[in-house]
Amino acid sequence: ETGVTQSPTHLIKTRGQQVTLRCSSQSGHNTVSWYQQALGQGPQFIFQYYREEENGRGNFPPRFSGLQFPNYSSELNVNALELDDSALYLCASSTYFGNEQYFGPGTRLTVT
Amino acid sequence: GNSVTQMEGPVTLSEEAFLTINCTYTATGYPSLFWYVQYPGEGLQLLLKATKADDKGSNKGFEATYRKETTSFHLEKGSVQVSDSAVYFCALVKVQGAQKLVFGQGTRLTINP
Repeated sequence: ETGVTQSPTHLIKTRGQQVTLRCSSQSGHNTVSWYQQALGQGPQFIFQYYREEENGRGNFPPRFSGLQFPNYSSELNVNALELDDSALYLCASSTYFGNEQYFGPGTRLTVT
Repeated sequence: GNSVTQMEGPVTLSEEAFLTINCTYTATGYPSLFWYVQYPGEGLQLLLKATKADDKGSNKGFEATYRKETTSFHLEKGSVQVSDSAVYFCALVKVQGAQKLVFGQGTRLTINP
């Protein structure tokens, strides 16, 4: 059974640029959630995707957007990067009716 | 809204000591409760869960009991090891259109040999 994978591992971007992060869900899972974890904090929910549609969103501005593909993999896009977007971005997969989410290793984004 | 409060860290113990990390929550209805662990440089791993009042979750020697009367889900382990050094997060989920996990701020645990 393949776990949740994310790419890239690390990324450095400049303020104002755009970034795309990628996630492959665990085998058998059809739901993907994205979280932002600032240094020393707990993860914060960004949004969730199910059946290729956004299924819920946290308190993040519209410049955070996502996609889910037919194979259940997902992308997180962030436009107009700000310094405060520097964080660990975590992807988690689950089944739609299950309450256990399994996390990938994360992508560390640094905005300079 | 839903929220989780954990005891502030960091917590430093000697090997074989007894561990308690306190967690309380605020939520309407009946959330499911979780403990996740994050080792340095890694993502989160599900440690244990409980889905209803008086349920006890357990894994790798760790235990936590869902106490609805005190809205708590304290993590305990009878004898910690150096390898237990990590950051521990308490979390809840209520399925309201999306399975949104709400996390506490995390407690950093260091075990000295």
